Amino acid sequence: KAGVTQTPRYLIKTRGQQVTLSCSPISGHRSVSWYQQTPGQGLQFLFEYFSETQRNKGNFPGRFSGRQFSNSRSEMNVSTLELGDSALYLCASSLAGGQGVEKLFFGSGTQLSVL
Amino acid sequence: GEDVEQSLFLSVREGDSSVINCTYTDSSSTYLYWYKQEPGAGLQLLTYIFSNMDMKQDQRLTVLLNKKDKHLSLRIADTQTGDSAIYFCAERVGSNYQLIWGAGTKLIIKP
Repeated sequence: KAGVTQTPRYLIKTRGQQVTLSCSPISGHRSVSWYQQTPGQGLQFLFEYFSETQRNKGNFPGRFSGRQFSNSRSEMNVSTLELGDSALYLCASSLAGGQGVEKLFFGSGTQLSVL
Repeated sequence: GEDVEQSLFLSVREGDSSVINCTYTDSSSTYLYWYKQEPGAGLQLLTYIFSNMDMKQDQRLTVLLNKKDKHLSLRIADTQTGDSAIYFCAERVGSNYQLIWGAGTKLIIKP
């Protein structure tokens, strides 16, 4: 069974640009969540989608948005990039979507550098 | 408020046992998790424990939960170089989907 796939693996952008990151969950998983990981702030929850609906949202500005398609694939968009947006963006999928033990399966992440 | 705390670094000698500690504040936790992140990779679920359990053992891993002190620990027996990674503790409160994460403990193995 294929794991969680995130593309691209690396991305370099300049301030003010926008970026779209993609995440393909494990087949059959309906929940996809996004995290930002930085050395200083650790792992910060961005948002979670379940069956194409945003179910939970973290404390990030409106420049960060996402969506989920009917095949459960998800995209995350960051507009008007700032230097502080440089981070590893991780996507995780889960089967149960909030039930029981809720095991998260993570992709390898997209390393975003904003210059 | 909700908070999960971990030490940032732990250094152990190869072959020794590693004990990574985590404290949490919310007493209504349902599940507590340990995830491992190797360099350049995403997180991988190592093990988890249900809040009504005190201990769980899985091969070289032992999880201890002290609910009174809100303390969780992960013991890795016979630590190997392949255990070098960042270990994250996470808490699930009630039926909330969103987990509360610790900052991660970097495990450094000395030869």
